[in-house]
Amino acid sequence: DIVMTQTPLSSPVTPGQPASISCRSSQSLVHSDGNTYLSWLQQRPGQPPRLLIYKISKRLSGVPDRFSGSGAGTDFTLKISRVEAEDVGVYYCMQATQFPLTFGGGTKVEI
Amino acid sequence: EVQLAESGGGLVQPGGSLRLSCTASGFTFSSYWMSWVRQAPGKGLEWVASLNQDGSGKYYVDSVKGRFTISRDNAKNSLYLQMNSLRAEDTAIFYCATDVMGTWAYDSWGQGALVTVSS
Repeated sequence: DIVMTQTPLSSPVTPGQPASISCRSSQSLVHSDGNTYLSWLQQRPGQPPRLLIYKISKRLSGVPDRFSGSGAGTDFTLKISRVEAEDVGVYYCMQATQFPLTFGGGTKVEI
Repeated sequence: EVQLAESGGGLVQPGGSLRLSCTASGFTFSSYWMSWVRQAPGKGLEWVASLNQDGSGKYYVDSVKGRFTISRDNAKNSLYLQMNSLRAEDTAIFYCATDVMGTWAYDSWGQGALVTVSS
């Protein structure tokens, strides 16, 4: 199974300042079709998860452009350019390259 | 608008059974893989099972193999999760999720159904 490791576990942030979350996989997430199926989800308190980024860096329609994803192979990063109060929640990376699908442990972003 | 609505959660004793349902609307249900993802209280997300469009391809996390069965009824736009031999560690919110935007990620989620396994 592919293990997804996120750091940090918690990220205190100041509104207007940037934030960065790292996700590392135990093996390459490059699929046999050449794509890398690494996504980022946000979960606000009491809400279901919400997809932000897919295929490393593609932002879902409606997601603010302050969210960006980057990386390759086994190392990936989610960046928030200027944190806003509504960004508080837990962020998860997820790989869909192979079964079993696996999630990172989550990073709590708090103001 | 894509909508997923889970039902069937509740309190069950260890060793008991429960069947979750997910009713879908706003998209052509029969054209998409469907999945269940769970979240234990205060914990992270865990993928549970996925099912392909015609129900012929099923995948499960090891911890539920032999106990849980994922299925679908495309005529009813419904996804199911039959859960047998339930354990305390199965206590979680169970979400129905899918990828309708071609993202190879979960772009659509239900609100979740709480399953509590306790005596």
